[in-house]
Amino acid sequence: QQQVKQSPQSLIVQKGGISIINCAYENTAFDYFPWYQQFPGKGPALLIAIRPDVSEKKEGRFTISFNKSAKQFSLHIMDSQPGDSATYFCAASFAGGTSYGKLTFGQGTILTVHP
Amino acid sequence: GAVVSQHPSRVICKSGTSVKIECRSLDFQATTMFWYRQFPKKSLMLMATSNEGSKATYEQGVEKDKFLINHASLTLSTLTVTSAHPEDSSFYICSVKIGPGQGTPNTGELFFGEGSRLTVL
Repeated sequence: QQQVKQSPQSLIVQKGGISIINCAYENTAFDYFPWYQQFPGKGPALLIAIRPDVSEKKEGRFTISFNKSAKQFSLHIMDSQPGDSATYFCAASFAGGTSYGKLTFGQGTILTVHP
Repeated sequence: GAVVSQHPSRVICKSGTSVKIECRSLDFQATTMFWYRQFPKKSLMLMATSNEGSKATYEQGVEKDKFLINHASLTLSTLTVTSAHPEDSSFYICSVKIGPGQGTPNTGELFFGEGSRLTVL
């Protein structure tokens, strides 16, 4: 009930291409869905987040698409750059109340962008 | 600048000793702090939720006597790994939930620390 499943496990993209990472969740009570970027030996950094009242959110080269009925959301990285090479995690949480901030993370996707 | 500071970033200790890791909220008062554990090439697993002035809430399967959490102030939470063993070697990461009314653009926003790598010999 609490799982968040992420795919693919690893992804290789050419510079300038589009990177797409997908996540699916089970708990319909989740209402906050962030994406994090993590470089080796560092903590995760928030990239972009979405609430289920919208189907898409864009910030710069990063877009989240959200499908509430399918309980799926995805991250699209446009014009991928070698500097984007990192591990990406999707997560889910509750937007309010005492449980907000207790993130359930996906398994992670190792993105490699070739020059 | 950084919102959350974790110390130490790396620590190596002998089996049987105890290690303390600090998580500090630098510019804001944190109503809640969270502790995560991450094994190499794996995801982050929530260990416990730490609230200032009250006992931490541990996730299922996490030994509270093994991983002692103290949240003495609105800016500091500590995780102590007691009687550490090699299987406790991991990357420990804290996150901070910023309380409302402190000028941040998103009330309740979460910030992660840089992590602390523990190696137990």
